Amino acid sequence: DAKTTQPPSMDCAEGRAANLPCNHSTISGNEYVYWYRQIHSQGPQYIIHGLKNNETNEMASLIITEDRKSSTLILPHATLRDTAVYYCIVGGSEKLVFGKGMKLTVNP
Amino acid sequence: GAVVSQHPSRVICKSGTSVKIECRSLDFQATTMFWYRQFPKKSLMLMATSNEGSKATYEQGVEKDKFLINHASLTLSTLTVTSAHPEDSSFYICSARGLAGSEQYFGPGTRLTVT
Repeated sequence: DAKTTQPPSMDCAEGRAANLPCNHSTISGNEYVYWYRQIHSQGPQYIIHGLKNNETNEMASLIITEDRKSSTLILPHATLRDTAVYYCIVGGSEKLVFGKGMKLTVNP
Repeated sequence: GAVVSQHPSRVICKSGTSVKIECRSLDFQATTMFWYRQFPKKSLMLMATSNEGSKATYEQGVEKDKFLINHASLTLSTLTVTSAHPEDSSFYICSARGLAGSEQYFGPGTRLTVT
């Protein structure tokens, strides 16, 4: 079973920041938080991952709370092409178990 | 990010036949590859994990004799759906990972339709 909880859907205005929440209250000390997204009929795309510290790359920022029980993926300037299902996944060095994810719709 | 390819992207086969799907890591050596299937409007379901040169580990409920996995090299894994039936119609996606703990990169998926 997935170890994360995400809202089923979220809307965001184009050009605004999209803040995608994820709860993972049962995360273990050596487990990472991964974020992927899937655009319809394509394979999932890796976005970012982190362990304890906040992370930033060219796609997004990942903010992990100090107790590591939740995190937020931030898309700083959402575009229409960011419309997708976003998956927050907690895992160690082995397999990734996908939950239901969250459908982000970016509106013009 | 790293590139993972799948071939074919779409395949239609008749019931009772077998279909082979290839998954390749194009610019890195994949010590571990994973196979998922996804039904419409559903999330990805992990089918099996394969490490190069060893037998695949199947998830509970996945028939290993029906879904044959071979991971003969560090850049290639194959999934063969044997004696396919219409209920095997699905979107099959592979992923590959280099070092343990590193991120997985996914292929574009293969749409299988069994008639």
